Amino acid sequence: QLQLQESGPGLVKPSGTLSLICTVSGASISSSSYYWGWIRQTPGKGLEWIGSIYATGSTDYNPSLKSRVTISVDTSKNQFSLNLGSVTTADTALYYCANHFDSSAFDYWGQGKLVIVSS
Amino acid sequence: DIVMTQSPDSLAVSLGERATINCKSSHSLLYSSNNENDLAWYQQKPGQPPKLLIYWASTRESGVPDRFSGSGSGTDFTLTISSLQAEDVAVYYCQQYYTTPYTFGQGTKLEIK
Repeated sequence: QLQLQESGPGLVKPSGTLSLICTVSGASISSSSYYWGWIRQTPGKGLEWIGSIYATGSTDYNPSLKSRVTISVDTSKNQFSLNLGSVTTADTALYYCANHFDSSAFDYWGQGKLVIVSS
Repeated sequence: DIVMTQSPDSLAVSLGERATINCKSSHSLLYSSNNENDLAWYQQKPGQPPKLLIYWASTRESGVPDRFSGSGSGTDFTLTISSLQAEDVAVYYCQQYYTTPYTFGQGTKLEIK
């Protein structure tokens, strides 16, 4: 059974960088056919896809965040990560990692990590 | 971006009755190469992540009760719960994966009447 778990700081200062890691168990990031994605949820904007990465390292980002987002994969640790720069209070959200096939629904989700942007 | 609009925003249905949630996309989600609609439905209960219920607009995920069904094609889709159970109280979302950026509907809150 595939499992994903988000980790990282729950509080980030404005203008700083939000950094989260998703640890995958039950499948190898490098050998499966999955894409690995990040989605965030806020009361105001609902669910918002941030971006996804394939095991080869190819990425696809939401244009609304593309200038500030980097998603990378660490196959040795079976993890992938999210970095979101120049954060503001608008980036306060529940951040989920999830997996999907190419152009497919999100199959498995982590439990989510609440990140608050505040000084 | 493809805009996904759900209706209603909230819905109260009696136990055992039918619940119907609608989802409309601003662009056709019918993928011509396989004749499938790139539309998924999720269920989210409080304190939990969304759970995939249906993909390709009408295919139930493994383990999902058969009282859940999806229908529609092109730009108009429906999630139907044939006989509402207490455990179905949740927020339901539709999502298109036809093209990036993948986008979600605003959610429909389903409650017991």
